Amino acid sequence: GAGVSQSPRYKVAKRGQDVALRCDPISGHVSLFWYQQALGQGPEFLTYFQNEAQLDKSGLPSDRFFAERPEGSVSTLKIQRTQQEDSAVYLCASSLTGQETQYFGPGTRLLVL
Amino acid sequence: AQSVAQPEDQVNVAEGNPLTVKCTYSVSGNPYLFWYVQYPNRGLQFLLKYITGDNLVKGSYGFEAEFNKSQTSFHLKKPSALVSDSALYFCAVRVFNQAGTALIFGKGTTLSVSS
Repeated sequence: GAGVSQSPRYKVAKRGQDVALRCDPISGHVSLFWYQQALGQGPEFLTYFQNEAQLDKSGLPSDRFFAERPEGSVSTLKIQRTQQEDSAVYLCASSLTGQETQYFGPGTRLLVL
Repeated sequence: AQSVAQPEDQVNVAEGNPLTVKCTYSVSGNPYLFWYVQYPNRGLQFLLKYITGDNLVKGSYGFEAEFNKSQTSFHLKKPSALVSDSALYFCAVRVFNQAGTALIFGKGTTLSVSS
């Protein structure tokens, strides 16, 4: 009965460095979502997978952001050449299908110096 | 544009008193509405949802929410607040497009329950 897990929980990066954030969804959940939560704000949608297919990436803020889910389970969000404005909490959520309730992981707090 | 508004940044209530956290929405079509709670350094925890049916929805930890279509509101309520209810609460609406589905969140309301 494990929930959604994310790693690392905290990441400090120097400006210009590449980072990779991992999400392990609830076993059997077909749909996986990434959100970005800036300080004092609600989460904002980044991208959505159904199995291994990335069906919606309309929320990715720039081409420096890239997400993948190659085997339809674990997902990685990669940010290239990080900028200070990328500092935020990155939340992953999964649901049984795209129509069901989304369950969130604890998030990865990224600080870019 | 589809959106969610939480008009109060903070709600203060004494333990044992009823609480209300407000949410209004703007969507095209029928709304799918959610409430989540966030404790410090933790992810969002699902509280309850409205999809269809009875306008009064009951959820986790004694919380409930009332869907009001004419007022486009989905306020979160609890008859008797606990100090442990103190947290950040988010209202969200699910939107559908050709590519799939996502949640749009309000900016959040901090609930503070005093003993």
